[in-house]
Amino acid sequence: NAGVTQTPKFRVLKTGQSMTLLCAQDMNHEYMYWYRQDPGMGLRLIHYSVGEGTTAKGEVPDGYNVSRLKKQNFLLGLESAAPSQTSVYFCASNRGGINEQFFGPGTRLTVL
Amino acid sequence: DAKTTQPPSMDCAEGRAANLPCNHSTISGNEYVYWYRQIHSQGPQYIIHGLKNNETNEMASLIITEDRKSSTLILPHATLRDTAVYYCIVRVGAGNQGGKLIFGQGTELSVKP
Repeated sequence: NAGVTQTPKFRVLKTGQSMTLLCAQDMNHEYMYWYRQDPGMGLRLIHYSVGEGTTAKGEVPDGYNVSRLKKQNFLLGLESAAPSQTSVYFCASNRGGINEQFFGPGTRLTVL
Repeated sequence: DAKTTQPPSMDCAEGRAANLPCNHSTISGNEYVYWYRQIHSQGPQYIIHGLKNNETNEMASLIITEDRKSSTLILPHATLRDTAVYYCIVRVGAGNQGGKLIFGQGTELSVKP
């Protein structure tokens, strides 16, 4: 099992450009999450999904959109990137409830 | 979800036990204590969780005080590979808005030879 994978690993954008980050999991998990981590800080939840076709806002959702068209994939979109969105983005998944979350390796995004 | 307080950094000698404290004085009766760690900007890794009983697995032990206001994560024989940031998180279990985790700044544990 690959677990949770993220594409791409690194990306540099110019202000105003758009991009989509892909998260994929092969564990048949219902729940998926997108977090961001800024230097010296803990992770903050952007959006999450409790099942295929559902999405919900987390702590810091502004400037991001998400979609969960397939159970195994969770996409994070930036429609008009801003320098404040420079961060490391982590995706996670779990079965829900009290079960632990499994994290991907992260995507390092720089917006110039 | 209740807030947690952890020391920003700790040192531990290789081969010795590492005891990482966490205060969660406002924890509710249905909130679990979770521990994750993050090694050098990798994705966080789950370690252990508990409600009120002490728990042990192959990685660590979790000791929760009787009043549940604090807990300690114990790595019994720390190695250099245990150098990481350790996050203590409390959250409600099943049914809580997707089980989202609220990360603080954690404790940076340095294991020294």
